[in-house]
Amino acid sequence: DAKTTQPPSMDCAEGRAANLPCNHSTISGNEYVYWYRQIHSQGPQYIIHGLKNNETNEMASLIITEDRKSSTLILPHATLRDTAVYYCIVSPLNSNSGYALNFGKGTSLLVTP
Amino acid sequence: DSGVTQTPKHLITATGQRVTLRCSPRSGDLSVYWYQQSLDQGLQFLIQYYNGEERAKGNILERFSAQQFPDLHSELNLSSLELGDSALYFCASSVAGTGPSPLHFGNGTRLTVT
Repeated sequence: DAKTTQPPSMDCAEGRAANLPCNHSTISGNEYVYWYRQIHSQGPQYIIHGLKNNETNEMASLIITEDRKSSTLILPHATLRDTAVYYCIVSPLNSNSGYALNFGKGTSLLVTP
Repeated sequence: DSGVTQTPKHLITATGQRVTLRCSPRSGDLSVYWYQQSLDQGLQFLIQYYNGEERAKGNILERFSAQQFPDLHSELNLSSLELGDSALYFCASSVAGTGPSPLHFGNGTRLTVT
């Protein structure tokens, strides 16, 4: 699976958009980009995933560059409850060896009042 | 609420002992995953089952074993426990055994080995 690189930490003011970058320059054509987050010691929570088109759901938007080498997760109006560690993961669509999402160190997002 | 139930929430035991962690997946999900999260190692994938069969294996120690039963619940058995096994153990489930099916995580079992 392709590796991802994320900044270790970011700050964002409450009510502003939080833009979390992820670099995945070695991504291959059949690999999806997934975003999960983990609020302190709770189980990780699925946010969104995409292949090459931009995606939006009720939680966030995912912008993937045309060359697919990087992506940005956007939380449009961050709240204090969005303070969490955000994980960007790249994994193939189908794999005969199973579906093991490998969580790296992620980005620790702090939303401040 | 993710719909994934893990029991017990907390477990305190001594070195050398054996424990069993239990996971009930979301209704309709066929695949179960186990992850270990310790302070220094982050979230580590251990093993995946799909409809009762092992599908993927990660960095799971030989002292650890798992299985998925016909009713799709899963158990993770940890034996000959060491201090370093103290961690949060998460179970997740998904509908399919492959991507891009999202994983839904339980709230974990916190294991403390003394």
